[in-house]
Amino acid sequence: EVQLVESGGGLVQPGRSLRLSCTASGFTFGDYAMGWFRQAPGKGLEWVAFIRSKDYGESTKYAASVKGRFTISRDDSKSIAYLQMNSLKTDDTAVYYCSRDFARSNAFDIWGQGTMVTVSS
Amino acid sequence: QSALTQPASVSGSPGQSITVSCTGTSSDFGGYNYVSWFQQHPGKAPKLIIYEVSNRPSGVSNRFSGSKSGNTASLTISGLQAEDEADYYCSSYTTSSTLIFGGGTKLTVL
Repeated sequence: EVQLVESGGGLVQPGRSLRLSCTASGFTFGDYAMGWFRQAPGKGLEWVAFIRSKDYGESTKYAASVKGRFTISRDDSKSIAYLQMNSLKTDDTAVYYCSRDFARSNAFDIWGQGTMVTVSS
Repeated sequence: QSALTQPASVSGSPGQSITVSCTGTSSDFGGYNYVSWFQQHPGKAPKLIIYEVSNRPSGVSNRFSGSKSGNTASLTISGLQAEDEADYYCSSYTTSSTLIFGGGTKLTVL
């Protein structure tokens, strides 16, 4: 079964760090670009970051709201994508989802169940 | 970069058709046809229903269709069913090689 499972969420104080993991199964992880998205409580979807596959240089892009604070990475040997979140702000409170771009064209077809990150003192 | 503009809500009766618009700038759409639409039921992860403006992933009903004209993309749902009641989001790949979402549209099936 093709599946993505996020983990690593939780309650964290403003200014602290957290690392999210996205573990893939059922497909050749290294062949696909991966993205992180988030959804604040009661709000819409927001793109956070994506990382291309090794064939495309593992290049990365970030939303302006997280650039310089968040880092996306991948370990194809473990089929895991990571999101390192530093200098967290209360506005970063959201459910974080990872997803696979199956066509390298903003076609994110497989999504995890999400992991909640709460930034609060 | 502001979000793509979608109506906050649309509604229709079972069997009818509805269209959700998604408006942006030429930079928002990046000169590519990389517009996607997602369906999201409450408490659930998003589901891809349209990619590359008008393509449907395997398993998605042909009642869902997409199009784009100029700087406006559209999602049409024909033969409305109760299960279509959900939030719908458009998304695009921009000239900056980033992604952008619309604010979302709540579909109510009357």
